[in-house]
Amino acid sequence: AQSVTQLGSHVSVSEGALVLLRCNYSSSVPPYLFWYVQYPNQGLQLLLKYTSAATLVKGINGFEAEFKKSETSFHLTKPSAHMSDAAEYFCAGGSNYKLTFGKGTLLTVNP
Amino acid sequence: DTGVSQDPRHKITKRGQNVTFRCDPISEHNRLYWYRQTLGQGPEFLTYFQNEAQLEKSRLLSDRFSAERPKGSFSTLEIQRTEQGDSAMYLCASSSPISSYEQYFGPGTRLTVT
Repeated sequence: AQSVTQLGSHVSVSEGALVLLRCNYSSSVPPYLFWYVQYPNQGLQLLLKYTSAATLVKGINGFEAEFKKSETSFHLTKPSAHMSDAAEYFCAGGSNYKLTFGKGTLLTVNP
Repeated sequence: DTGVSQDPRHKITKRGQNVTFRCDPISEHNRLYWYRQTLGQGPEFLTYFQNEAQLEKSRLLSDRFSAERPKGSFSTLEIQRTEQGDSAMYLCASSSPISSYEQYFGPGTRLTVT
């Protein structure tokens, strides 16, 4: 069964610093992988997706993620954090119809 | 832009009452999904429809829960005899036939059972 693990429930960075949010997956077959962002009291917005094409995936708002099969990882990065990036981020793995989410990582950005 | 919409956004109910939520997917999206998100957790899959057919239900979906998607358009999720443990955010998502793995989420309905 697919499972997704996000390392670190809370990450705090300074404005302008590198953002790194970690995600590891387990699956017996190549997965579809996603990162979603959730602002308070809102639904989830798709940031980026991996669908077995390029291993480095670029998303919205300057985020990108790299699929590393040898490490079963799909970490999310952004070179320079902005105050508006403060939110909760979820990594998810999916088969054709069902997404399995990690528990989320709350990102805070300090001025 | 007509994204996924959900109604109501918030619902407060007393234990034992029935509640119903509605989801309107993005037009032309043939798949519709329901997830539940409790505080501090990621969303958990509940059920999904392809057109009007309900193709899978999670074990999380007890017999007090029922979902429908008449005519393959909007969907409703009903919870009968609500319990305090049902308090959560209920999220709806939809996906298109071309990119069925890419799910777009609505704003959610936050249910509080008192």
